[in-house]
Amino acid sequence: SQTIHQWPATLVQPVGSPLSLECTVEGTSNPNLYWYRQAAGRGLQLLFYSVGIGQISSEVPQNLSASRPQDRQFILSSKKLLLSDSGFYLCAWRGVRDTGELFFGEGSRLTVL
Amino acid sequence: GQNIDQPTEMTATEGAIVQINCTYQTSGFNGLFWYQQHAGEAPTFLSYNVLDGLEEKGRFSSFLSRSKGYSYLLLKELQMKDSASYLCAVMDSNYQLIWGAGTKLIIKP
Repeated sequence: SQTIHQWPATLVQPVGSPLSLECTVEGTSNPNLYWYRQAAGRGLQLLFYSVGIGQISSEVPQNLSASRPQDRQFILSSKKLLLSDSGFYLCAWRGVRDTGELFFGEGSRLTVL
Repeated sequence: GQNIDQPTEMTATEGAIVQINCTYQTSGFNGLFWYQQHAGEAPTFLSYNVLDGLEEKGRFSSFLSRSKGYSYLLLKELQMKDSASYLCAVMDSNYQLIWGAGTKLIIKP
C-alpha cells in the first residue's frame, strides 16, 4: 500500500533562517506531488507541484522553492524565512484512481518568530 | 475568478443530522471532493462527486448539482468524533484543486 511521510512535524524558526521540509512517498512510482500551505481559517493554498523528477511548477511567487531530487522525494526550502511563512505545510500525492483524490502527509507546523 | 463558499462554522447535537453546504464558481469542472480535517492533522478524503446526484457512504453522503454549482455533505447519527473541519474542493479544467476555507463542525452532547 502507498504511504506518505513528511518531516519535521513541528519547527520554530527565527526570521531570516533557512528552511527545509522533506516528503517521501512509498509504494508507488512517478507520483504527482504537491506542497500546500494552510493558514489559520483559510483554504489550502497550492505552492508547488511536480509531475516528475526535476519538474517543478510554482503556483505562487514567494521566497520558497521546491525540488524533486528523486522520484518519490519532494523538498520545500527557503533561504530566508519571513514572518508570513508561518503556517501548516502539507505534502500530498495524487492517487492513481480515476477520482484522483489527494493523500496528505502528516503536516509540518512552522512558526517563524 | 474561482471561488468556493462554505459556512465558517456549524454546531450540531450528538445523534442528530447536519448538512454542510458548498457553492462553487470555477473555470471548468472535473469533480468535487469533500475532506475531513481534525484539528492539527492533515485532511483525509471523504467523498467524490462528478455526476449529479447523491453518493452514500455509511453515515456520510454527498450531493452534487452541477447546474447550480452546489454540493452538500450530509452527516447522520453524529458522533463526538465527527467534530472537525470539512473542506470542499473542486477540480477545475486544468485538473487543479480549488479549496474552500472549510467548515468547522462542533458537536455538542
